[in-house]
Amino acid sequence: EAGVTQSPTHLIKTRGQQATLRCSPISGHTSVYWYQQALGLGLQFLLWYDEGEERNRGNFPPRFSGRQFPNYSSELNVNALELEDSALYLCASEGRLNTGELFFGEGSRLTVL
Amino acid sequence: AQSVTQPDIHITVSEGASLELRCNYSYGATPYLFWYVQSPGQGLQLLLKYFSGDTLVQGIKGFEAEFKRSQSSFNLRKPSVHWSDAAEYFCAVGARGGGADGLTFGKGTHLIIQP
Repeated sequence: EAGVTQSPTHLIKTRGQQATLRCSPISGHTSVYWYQQALGLGLQFLLWYDEGEERNRGNFPPRFSGRQFPNYSSELNVNALELEDSALYLCASEGRLNTGELFFGEGSRLTVL
Repeated sequence: AQSVTQPDIHITVSEGASLELRCNYSYGATPYLFWYVQSPGQGLQLLLKYFSGDTLVQGIKGFEAEFKRSQSSFNLRKPSVHWSDAAEYFCAVGARGGGADGLTFGKGTHLIIQP
């Protein structure tokens, strides 16, 4: 069974540009969570999607957005990139049993120059 | 609001020695508790989880953790560490259904293994 897959692995952008990160959950999982892991800040909750709907977002500005597709894959968009957006972005999926257990991908490393 | 505290930012242990990583949580209801491990540049791998029942839970790679409700703790232990255990360890708390924020993570403990 394939795990959570994320792409791209690495992404380099300049300030003001837009970044798009993608995530495919484990087959059968309907919930997708996005976390930001910046140096020294631990994992910060960004967004939660379930059954195609945005269910909750963390304390991040509106330029962080995303969506979930009918096949439950998800996309995270970051507009007007700032230097402090440089981080590892982790996607996690959760199964229909809603056990609270999250399965993580390897992450996408975003560097903003 | 729920929170997780991992009081040790770094821990250094000699290979073969025992290990205990501390985790304290704050949660309004019965929590679901997790320990994850992250190797450099990698995602998070689940080591073990506690939902209910036996308060001593066994995980992968020889790790175990004990849930102590009276102390709001969920400490991770391993009787004998291996050099490959060097990594970042995260304790997390959540609820059935994931909840609005998914899991709340501690800041992590960086484990260094001395030869």
